[in-house]
Amino acid sequence: DAEITQSPRHKITETGRQVTLACHQTWNHNNMFWYRQDLGHGLRLIHYSYGVQDTNKGEVSDGYSVSRSNTEDLPLTLESAASSQTSVYFCASSVGPSSYNEQFFGPGTRLTVL
Amino acid sequence: QKEVEQDPGPLSVPEGAIVSLNCTYSNSAFQYFMWYRQYSRKGPELLMYTYSSGNKEDGRFTAQVDKSSKYISLFIRDSQPSDSATYLCALSFTGANSKLTFGKGITLSVRP
Repeated sequence: DAEITQSPRHKITETGRQVTLACHQTWNHNNMFWYRQDLGHGLRLIHYSYGVQDTNKGEVSDGYSVSRSNTEDLPLTLESAASSQTSVYFCASSVGPSSYNEQFFGPGTRLTVL
Repeated sequence: QKEVEQDPGPLSVPEGAIVSLNCTYSNSAFQYFMWYRQYSRKGPELLMYTYSSGNKEDGRFTAQVDKSSKYISLFIRDSQPSDSATYLCALSFTGANSKLTFGKGITLSVRP
């Protein structure tokens, strides 16, 4: 069965370190998204991609970067981790391009920055 | 004003109750209206979607859209403890690759 996976599921790191969160989908979807979820803020879009070599900034992109070298993967990199980036991170994908854009979510990565 | 507002909750109801979850929005251009359900420590999953106005029913769940009032609702009949989760509304425009705009989510607890 097609799926979307994230790794690691839990990560503890120190302030200033570079961290990469992996996202892999086997749906063969064009579109991929990264969100963070925090109490009181809901899901906020960090970066998104509409295809290989395409990346776009979301509403909370500062301190994060992505690259898309193939259809299946969209890794999220925290260049220099900050305590404010402690959060739960979700990757999602959708088939695109389409007016109806159901997004399929991964299980999430819980990141703690000390 | 945020584009999508959702009652913050949390909400606790007894088993068997009828639950009403609501979102309001400000941009009349939204055309797709979705409800996602998220169990604790899991990713959100699409529960229901509606295009434009009207009602949609799926078992114990009914999604309702009132575009004139910019108001969407999710009704759960005969609520069960297994319905305990966070519910997020999500809206999008028409057009290829339109992104989703999420409400903050409301956590529902159904007491046995």
